[in-house]
Amino acid sequence: DAKTTQPNSMESNEEEPVHLPCNHSTISGTDYIHWYRQLPSQGPEYVIHGLTSNVNNRMASLAIAEDRKSSTLILHRATLRDAAVYYCILRSNYQLIWGAGTKLIIKP
Amino acid sequence: NAGVTQTPKFQVLKTGQSMTLQCAQDMNHNSMYWYRQDPGMGLRLIYYSASEGTTDKGEVPNGYNVSRLNKREFSLRLESAAPSQTSVYFCASSEAGGQPQHFGDGTRLSIL
Repeated sequence: DAKTTQPNSMESNEEEPVHLPCNHSTISGTDYIHWYRQLPSQGPEYVIHGLTSNVNNRMASLAIAEDRKSSTLILHRATLRDAAVYYCILRSNYQLIWGAGTKLIIKP
Repeated sequence: NAGVTQTPKFQVLKTGQSMTLQCAQDMNHNSMYWYRQDPGMGLRLIYYSASEGTTDKGEVPNGYNVSRLNKREFSLRLESAAPSQTSVYFCASSEAGGQPQHFGDGTRLSIL
């Protein structure tokens, strides 16, 4: 199964943009890239997903490299409520292959 | 806005005891999933049900059984609990396979 690599943790200042990187060099042509986040003591929450093209929604933007070997989740203006573990996940059929994620720390 | 409801929220078992974790969703979703999450790690898929009447093994199915009781409910059973099954268990549902998954708040299970 294809795997993803993310930094263990990142820090950002409140009200600034955040770019969360993810490497997935063994991605296959049919794997979708999903991002979820998990606040402390809660279940994961869907953020965004894409296949080849960049995607935007009300929560974030997803930038996918042309060769699809990496992607970046962009939070345009981080708030304290965005402090969470962010998971970059490859979807193969029904299965989401989860890594350990990036713990995002937001400094006021 | 109930979404995905898991019961119980916390449970302590002794080794060898059995238990069923319950999950229900009110979004009319076709697919449902059971995951476990160990400290500091991502989620691992135990079993999933692509649609009512079907179940399939995920990454870590050993020691577990599931039942898709109807479209709303998907239960996870531990027949003989072991300390290695101490974990947080999450149930999720999605409109169809591959669509965004909606998660419950989890069941925190400790096995002594």
